[in-house]
Amino acid sequence: AQSVTQLDSHVSVSEGTPVLLRCNYSSSYSPSLFWYVQHPNKGLQLLLKYTSAATLVKGINGFEAEFKKSETSFHLTKPSAHMSDAAEYFCVVSGAGRRALTFGSGTRLQVQP
Amino acid sequence: DGGITQSPKYLFRKEGQNVTLSCEQNLNHDAMYWYRQDPGQGLRLIYYSQIVNDFQKGDIAEGYSVSREKKESFPLTVTSAQKNPTAFYLCASSMAGPQETQYFGPGTRLLVL
Repeated sequence: AQSVTQLDSHVSVSEGTPVLLRCNYSSSYSPSLFWYVQHPNKGLQLLLKYTSAATLVKGINGFEAEFKKSETSFHLTKPSAHMSDAAEYFCVVSGAGRRALTFGSGTRLQVQP
Repeated sequence: DGGITQSPKYLFRKEGQNVTLSCEQNLNHDAMYWYRQDPGQGLRLIYYSQIVNDFQKGDIAEGYSVSREKKESFPLTVTSAQKNPTAFYLCASSMAGPQETQYFGPGTRLLVL
């Protein structure tokens, strides 16, 4: 069985300040982990993916995430927020089962000017 | 231009009516998925298909049906048995394998008249 918990339903930052979106996971297997972003009324876009290569994963638009097995965490960060980063972010875990992905409930990121 | 298309963008359903949501992909992916998204929630899996002419129920399959007659197409029918169909529906596809990245279409918003 696998699960994912996004610790904040809503995060608000000022433009130019760092972003931290927190995610903890649980999996019986060695998981793949993903972060997706969703802008209003749009589909999901893949930001980055962890597959047991490097623990620090770099994604698109300056985002990165660090896999910490001891803490079962996969937090998403960005050094400097941009107004266009305002969106919903989903942490996702994939295990060995055929159904694959389990989604977190999402974190809405608000960026203040 | 490769990708996943969903149509229509908005769909209105009358009481007792069945409606069908279209999903097409030209990525040559074997697996396709349907998710439902409700406000403030993550995605929940309705049905998935790993190969043509085969599909499996997800977590919330009641009131829905699918077919997979062609590799590139995976239509979803919302039947009259689905009592609360108002939601945002997302289709995704991936290469075969449980940890492959899923790529999403732009979504269809279903509203009940």
